[in-house]
Amino acid sequence: QKEVEQDPGPLSVPEGAIVSLNCTYSNSAFQYFMWYRQYSRKGPELLMYTYSSGNKEDGRFTAQVDKSSKYISLFIRDSQPSDSATYLCAMSAGGGGGFKTIFGAGTRLFVKA
Amino acid sequence: DGGITQSPKYLFRKEGQNVTLSCEQNLNHDAMYWYRQDPGQGLRLIYYSQIVNDFQKGDIAEGYSVSREKKESFPLTVTSAQKNPTAFYLCASSIQTGVNTGELFFGEGSRLTVL
Repeated sequence: QKEVEQDPGPLSVPEGAIVSLNCTYSNSAFQYFMWYRQYSRKGPELLMYTYSSGNKEDGRFTAQVDKSSKYISLFIRDSQPSDSATYLCAMSAGGGGGFKTIFGAGTRLFVKA
Repeated sequence: DGGITQSPKYLFRKEGQNVTLSCEQNLNHDAMYWYRQDPGQGLRLIYYSQIVNDFQKGDIAEGYSVSREKKESFPLTVTSAQKNPTAFYLCASSIQTGVNTGELFFGEGSRLTVL
C-alpha cells in the first residue's frame, strides 16, 4: 500500500463547476499538507499549505484536512479553463527535511469552457 | 526574481551516453533535490543534498550521480547504467533551518528522451 493515494483521473468538469480533489494517506505522523498545481511540461507550484487539521481558504481554493480519517481535499469553486492542470497532494511529518515529503500521483483536471 | 533554473528544457540522448542536467537556485536554500516524474507514478526522489559537499541517495538512485560543490548548484548526471532514462526530471529546493515543513520549490523541469 502506498503511503499516499490519489486518484489520477482524468477529471473533466464544465466551467463554473465546483471541483473536489482528494487524497488519502496511511502515516498518522503527517502534519504538513500541501497541494501543488502542475501545468503541462512545467514544474509544480505550491498552491495551498495546511498544518494539521482544519480548513484553509485562498480565493477560489479551499484545502481541508481530516486527520482522524487520514483524508485531505482541495475544493475549487467557480472553476475556470485556466485551472486545467495536474494537482499533486503532498505531505510531510516535518522536522526531517524536504526529502521526507511524500507526493501523490496527481489528478489531471480538465475544465471545459 | 528568486527561483530555480533547470537546463536544458529538452534533451535527446543516444543509448550508452551520459548526460548532465543542470540545476541552479538563487533562493539561498540549503537543501536541493532531484525527482523523476513518470506518467501515473507521481514524483520519485533520486538524490538529495542537505548541505554543500554532502548528498544522499533517494528511492531510485541507481544509474544516476550528483555533486554539490556549491550551495546554488546541484547537477544530475544520468549515466548509461540507467535502464529507462526517458522521463521528466525536476529539481527542487527547500529551507533547511528552523521548522521544516517539507515545502519544496521546483524548477521548470527537463525532459530527457533516449533515442
